[in-house]
Amino acid sequence: EVQLVESGGGLVKPGGSLRLSCAASGFTFSSHSMTWVRQAPGRGLEWVSSITSSSSYIYYADSVRGRFSISRDNAGNSLYLQMNSLRADDTAVYYCARSGCSTNCPLRVNWFDPWGQGTLVTVSS
Amino acid sequence: QSVLAQPPSASGTPGQTVSISCSGSSSNIGTNPVNWYQQLPGTAPKLLIYSNSQRPSGVPDRFSGSKSGTSASLAISGLQSEDETDYYCAAWDDSLEGLVFGGGTKLTVL
Repeated sequence: EVQLVESGGGLVKPGGSLRLSCAASGFTFSSHSMTWVRQAPGRGLEWVSSITSSSSYIYYADSVRGRFSISRDNAGNSLYLQMNSLRADDTAVYYCARSGCSTNCPLRVNWFDPWGQGTLVTVSS
Repeated sequence: QSVLAQPPSASGTPGQTVSISCSGSSSNIGTNPVNWYQQLPGTAPKLLIYSNSQRPSGVPDRFSGSKSGTSASLAISGLQSEDETDYYCAAWDDSLEGLVFGGGTKLTVL
């Protein structure tokens, strides 16, 4: 069974840092691009960052560029999101998601399936 | 303000057919495929339609997707009470070099 499990969320003060992890199982992790999407309380979905299978290409939303860093460990089947200089408007549930189309399938034509259950990040003093 | 425009709400009665629109531009929907996600309350989004009109295994054929120019549409036929939830469209934007979502549509089954 394909499974994604996020961890690392919690309460952090403005300006603080947090590192999210996403443990993948049930598929060949190294063949798929991965993505982080967040959802603020009561709001819609917002794309955060994507990384291709071999980490050759990395993309960020303007709202997090320069503060967040996405990475992956293909040997350990894990995806990460290092979040620095956190702000109140970063408060959200953060989901990791697998690209549905694998190797040699560019992100621009890809889709996300499945998604993890999400981890809540709360930025507050 | 979302890059892709969706109506915030839609409604229909059981058995009816409802359509949800998703409007974009030449840099996103006009160039790249559209995907649709369904999100039940308190749960993670689930893929509903990919590559404009493809249904993943397990998704009922009551759900269908289409795309024309810079707009896409999700149709739900034979509306059921369990369809009452939120729906999001998404596409890659070549100008922004990132994924863009619609603001989401809350579907109510009357």
